[in-house]
Amino acid sequence: AQKITQTQPGMFVQEKEAVTLDCTYDTSDQSYGLFWYKQPSSGEMIFLIYQGSYDEQNATEGRYSLNFQKARKSANLVISASQLGDSAMYFCAMRENNYGQNFVFGPGTRLSVLP
Amino acid sequence: EAGVAQSPRYKIIEKRQSVAFWCNPISGHATLYWYQQILGQGPKLLIQFQNNGVVDDSQLPKDRFSAERLKGVDSTLKIQPAKLEDSAVYLCASSLGGHTRQETQYFGPGTRLLVL
Repeated sequence: AQKITQTQPGMFVQEKEAVTLDCTYDTSDQSYGLFWYKQPSSGEMIFLIYQGSYDEQNATEGRYSLNFQKARKSANLVISASQLGDSAMYFCAMRENNYGQNFVFGPGTRLSVLP
Repeated sequence: EAGVAQSPRYKIIEKRQSVAFWCNPISGHATLYWYQQILGQGPKLLIQFQNNGVVDDSQLPKDRFSAERLKGVDSTLKIQPAKLEDSAVYLCASSLGGHTRQETQYFGPGTRLLVL
């Protein structure tokens, strides 16, 4: 079974608008962490934001925020005020235990920002 | 602070040849990871080191892939012999090694391998 599901292979957004990238996950652990990474065409994975399973507030980092709905097992990434440089692949990932093993990535969503 | 370094950036080989990739993690990072990313997919963990010991190599095809991190710093990933399906980007990442679920991994630029 897929641990991480990203149902949107591709997304388009107009520059300066907000966009939500979906991520659902599957785990039986109570303690886990969720991550979002950005991968531009250059290939490097860039860490964006982290959400812990016990965190009561949604994580925010600048223009990035995470809409965490634990009961629904979803961790959607919201990018506000999209910029042309946001065009990239976006990956949701999960770590299921404290030691850092079982770090799995989803299949990714390609975001294209239109001028 | 210098990031994760990888070399070469690109490699083209013929099937059945051997190839090696090198990774230098961020200074002070105890944990090092090698991932394989096939075109159109998310990265898949191949092997994880904690200092110079292997933590997880459950998804490493051990009949042809090997990796080492002899002094707990640099690491080398080798494929011998290569197959067509090994064409992918090989990503190296490192993290502090603090054993917390929130520990962030920092990635290098990757090595793009094409097997002909």
